[in-house]
Amino acid sequence: GAVVSQHPSRVICKSGTSVKIECRSLDFQATTMFWYRQFPKQSLMLMATSNEGSKATYEQGVEKDKFLINHASLTLSTLTVTSAHPEDSSFYICSARRTAYEQYFGPGTRLTVT
Amino acid sequence: RKEVEQDPGPFNVPEGATVAFNCTYSNSASQSFFWYRQDCRKEPKLLMSVYSSGNEDGRFTAQLNRASQYISLLIRDSKLSDSATYLCVVNENSGGSNYKLTFGKGTLLTVNP
Repeated sequence: GAVVSQHPSRVICKSGTSVKIECRSLDFQATTMFWYRQFPKQSLMLMATSNEGSKATYEQGVEKDKFLINHASLTLSTLTVTSAHPEDSSFYICSARRTAYEQYFGPGTRLTVT
Repeated sequence: RKEVEQDPGPFNVPEGATVAFNCTYSNSASQSFFWYRQDCRKEPKLLMSVYSSGNEDGRFTAQLNRASQYISLLIRDSKLSDSATYLCVVNENSGGSNYKLTFGKGTLLTVNP
């Protein structure tokens, strides 16, 4: 199957700092990528849809100024959590759309804000 | 009302048991349907798509009832390696040619020796 990578896999940062997470589709081009967040024992919640060359579309309740998304190429999307706080600690997962009905997930990034 | 609802679980079954998961979805315009499995602290992985005619993949059988907006997954002869969280996932049109996946909360399955 298609491969999507994420980096870093785990990050611990201090409150108030910013963290950038990269999502790459390794063997296909992805016009659209998605960013999800998953809290313990909860379902994946879509945060935003990232479209190459245009602004991301954020889901209701997700602050676009706090979660900055850049999709600069057909194989790379980045999510920057700005001024992170402990409540931002979560498992962040990206996915890349290969076709209208196929999405492939990255391995996730576990963010801990102390 | 949640968009995708699943059995809350958890399910604990012995090896060899048959176990069934149920799921309902609220958006009647949903386009396609999937079961994913997610291991602890890992990303979700596609288990199988679900078709209106029902489909089978080895020990796994998925069913879809569009009229009832109901999806099921049956696992026969369960193995220890089947222990995971099973996610019911619905693909919805979010405008134009855009689609997005909506996940259920998941049902945890533990298969015991």
